[in-house]
Amino acid sequence: GAVVSQHPSRVICKSGTSVKIECRSLDFQATTMFWYRQFPKKSLMLMATSNEGSKATYEQGVEKDKFLINHASLTLSTLTVTSAHPEDSSFYICSARRNRGRGAHNEQFFGPGTRLTVL
Amino acid sequence: GQQLNQSPQSMFIQEGEDVSMNCTSSSIFNTWLWYKQDPGEGPVLLIALYKAGELTSNGRLTAQFGITRKDSFLNISASIPSDVGIYFCAGQVGQGAQKLVFGQGTRLTINP
Repeated sequence: GAVVSQHPSRVICKSGTSVKIECRSLDFQATTMFWYRQFPKKSLMLMATSNEGSKATYEQGVEKDKFLINHASLTLSTLTVTSAHPEDSSFYICSARRNRGRGAHNEQFFGPGTRLTVL
Repeated sequence: GQQLNQSPQSMFIQEGEDVSMNCTSSSIFNTWLWYKQDPGEGPVLLIALYKAGELTSNGRLTAQFGITRKDSFLNISASIPSDVGIYFCAGQVGQGAQKLVFGQGTRLTINP
């Protein structure tokens, strides 16, 4: 159990286009999902926290109009990179928090990542 | 802000050797997590620690939650080629929807 999928795994697009990345929790419900960005040989940088049914919370320095997040259901969050530019090229990873109820430890499970290349 | 200092940044060892890496912080964390990331993949949870002083094993992996709540270590015994990858520690302040703070990672390379 606790599988998180991302789609697509790789995407190449032209500068100025928008790209949507999906994150799905396949066998559990996730009221909270997280979006990370990772540069080569670097650690994961949290971009935003996605909450089902409400607006996402963005980390300092992350443009919310640039990186649109929609958490429409308990198993799906999407990240849309709008008007992508070459500097947006990166590895984007989502994670989903599995809810286990009050007092329980809520673990985060990561998706396999999406490699975005903007030409 | 909260930061985790992970060391060493990289390790080059022979197959069969034991490995040790650690994370320290100036802040207290209530949860420590250790992840492994293979190239082009997302991180996979190895061990989760929830109590200060807790020592937990997962096969050849052993991790401990420091008694001060400000550090944790991960040991790998008798390394094998599939242990190659990047290991990240992560700390979490609360059990709720608190975000994870990640260390910089330890890149493990194994010579057969």
